[in-house]
Amino acid sequence: KAGVTQTPRYLIKTRGQQVTLSCSPISGHRSVSWYQQTPGQGLQFLFEYFSETQRNKGNFPGRFSGRQFSNSRSEMNVSTLELGDSALYLCASSLVPPSSYNSPLHFGNGTRLTVT
Amino acid sequence: GENVEQHPSTLSVQEGDSAVIKCTYSDSASNYFPWYKQELGKRPQLIIDIRSNVGEKKDQRIAVTLNKTAKHFSLHITETQPEDSAVYFCAASMDYGGSQGNLIFGKGTKLSVKP
Repeated sequence: KAGVTQTPRYLIKTRGQQVTLSCSPISGHRSVSWYQQTPGQGLQFLFEYFSETQRNKGNFPGRFSGRQFSNSRSEMNVSTLELGDSALYLCASSLVPPSSYNSPLHFGNGTRLTVT
Repeated sequence: GENVEQHPSTLSVQEGDSAVIKCTYSDSASNYFPWYKQELGKRPQLIIDIRSNVGEKKDQRIAVTLNKTAKHFSLHITETQPEDSAVYFCAASMDYGGSQGNLIFGKGTKLSVKP
């Protein structure tokens, strides 16, 4: 069974630009969550989608947005990039939303975004 | 919202010793507490989890304990080996109504096991 696939693996953008990251969950998984990982802050929750609906949102500015398609694939968009947005963006999928019995999060390898 | 504090941020032990990582959470409604291990350059992977209806869970050299009253949970690794060296993250989430909660992570503990 293929794991969570994130594309691209690496991205370099300049301040003010926008970026779209893609995530394909494990087949059959309907919940997709996005996390930002930085050395000082660890894993910070961005948002979670389930059945094309945003269920939860973390404490990030409106420049960060996402969506989920009917095939459960998800995209994340960051507009007006800032230097502080440089991070590893991790996508994770689960069979049902996190915290349900026997439905852990499975992470992808992430997209490394560098903003210059 | 939920807040998870994790200590220590770094931990160095000798091979064969035990390692303990502690986390506290703020929301008493949280009911699911997983632990993830992230090796250098790799994705976080679930190593063990516990639900609020049990106080302890063990899987070979790894165990997790939960104290709901004090709102803290701990990861115990016995007989540590060099391959246990990694960053460990605790997390908490709650189940409310039909909408499951998100996972809120601690900031991680970098464990180094010296041969």
